[in-house]
Amino acid sequence: KNQVEQSPQSLIILEGKNCTLQCNYTVSPFSNLRWYKQDTGRGPVSLTIMTFSENTKSNGRYTATLDADTKQSSLHITASQLSDSASYICVVSTSGGSYIPTFGRGTSLIVHP
Amino acid sequence: EAGVVQSPRYKIIEKKQPVAFWCNPISGHNTLYWYLQNLGQGPELLIRYENEEAVDDSQLPKDRFSAERLKGVDSTLKIQPAELGDSAVYLCASSLGQGGHNEQFFGPGTRLTVL
Repeated sequence: KNQVEQSPQSLIILEGKNCTLQCNYTVSPFSNLRWYKQDTGRGPVSLTIMTFSENTKSNGRYTATLDADTKQSSLHITASQLSDSASYICVVSTSGGSYIPTFGRGTSLIVHP
Repeated sequence: EAGVVQSPRYKIIEKKQPVAFWCNPISGHNTLYWYLQNLGQGPELLIRYENEEAVDDSQLPKDRFSAERLKGVDSTLKIQPAELGDSAVYLCASSLGQGGHNEQFFGPGTRLTVL
């Protein structure tokens, strides 16, 4: 069964600090992995997409890594801001004819001033 | 460019009552998705449309849930009758195509409370 596990479940950090969120998956066959940011009361918004051949991708203060061999991804947030408070969801998609995304439960990040 | 529009944003009903949600996807997006999201969980796919055809509805509880996408644009999701366990956020998303490389754009969701 395809699964996406995220850790930690929740995280509280001080403004300006860095943090790293983890995503482990068992989805096969692998097509790509996306990290989404979901603000409270809003729908998820894509931050990055990574394919099999990519191992690092940045989007401003967000840097995602992918290790396709160990089936792990991380999202690193640098110099956190209050607006980074949100849920971060890892989504892995399969390749082939049947496209079914598998969503993780998300990591709830709270940034305190 | 307008994003995915959903209405209503909030809905409170009593159990056994019917309820319907509406979604207007981004113009030109052929693929439309309905998701259910419980508190503290990731979205769970209910149904996926390619134009007006439902191509993946294996997770849709067909005894009480129904969906349609007439003319391949707007879509409605209906629950009849609603149960207490249906309380959740219902998200609509759209994308240019069905491939996993196509980014899904999500609406703000409809928060349903069943009393």
